[in-house]
Amino acid sequence: AQSVTQPDIHITVSEGASLELRCNYSYGATPYLFWYVQSPGQGLQLLLKYFSGDTLVQGIKGFEAEFKRSQSSFNLRKPSVHWSDAAEYFCAVAAGGNDMRFGAGTRLTVKP
Amino acid sequence: EPEVTQTPSHQVTQMGQEVILRCVPISNHLYFYWYRQILGQKVEFLVSFYNNEISEKSEIFDDQFSVERPDGSNFTLKIRSTKLEDSAMYFCASSGAAGNQPQHFGDGTRLSIL
Repeated sequence: AQSVTQPDIHITVSEGASLELRCNYSYGATPYLFWYVQSPGQGLQLLLKYFSGDTLVQGIKGFEAEFKRSQSSFNLRKPSVHWSDAAEYFCAVAAGGNDMRFGAGTRLTVKP
Repeated sequence: EPEVTQTPSHQVTQMGQEVILRCVPISNHLYFYWYRQILGQKVEFLVSFYNNEISEKSEIFDDQFSVERPDGSNFTLKIRSTKLEDSAMYFCASSGAAGNQPQHFGDGTRLSIL
């Protein structure tokens, strides 16, 4: 079965600094990969997705992610973080079936 | 942009009571899902529903849980006899297809069991 690991429970960055959130997946083939963001008390908003093709995908709010098959990774990046980016970030994998498996999440704190 | 809507936003229920959480998926979507997020923990898959039947379910989705699409627009999750550990945020999601289409989430229903 597919699984997702987000090694970092909590990350703190200064506003304007770059950001990278790590995600590793476990699955026998290339899964469908997603990043979602959750603000406090809110639902999950899709940031970006990877299905096939170009391994560097662009998302909303200036985020991008790179699929690296050799490392089974799908790390999320942003060159310059804004205070409004503070939230919980979830990596998710769907293996062609109907269920999506989420990582444990990484909480992002942005320092002024 | 079309949205998934969930009602109520917060439900408080006595332990042992039945509760029904309601969702209106995006109108042209065919796949519907329920997820649970216990406070401070990750989002967990409960069940997926397609063509008026459950297509997949997790080990969490035991006999206390059921889902239904009573009409063309609503998708409900019923918990027959709630337990304290059912307290969580419950998210509904829908997608146009399985796997290779992103799931769109509602804002969730916070279920508090007393």
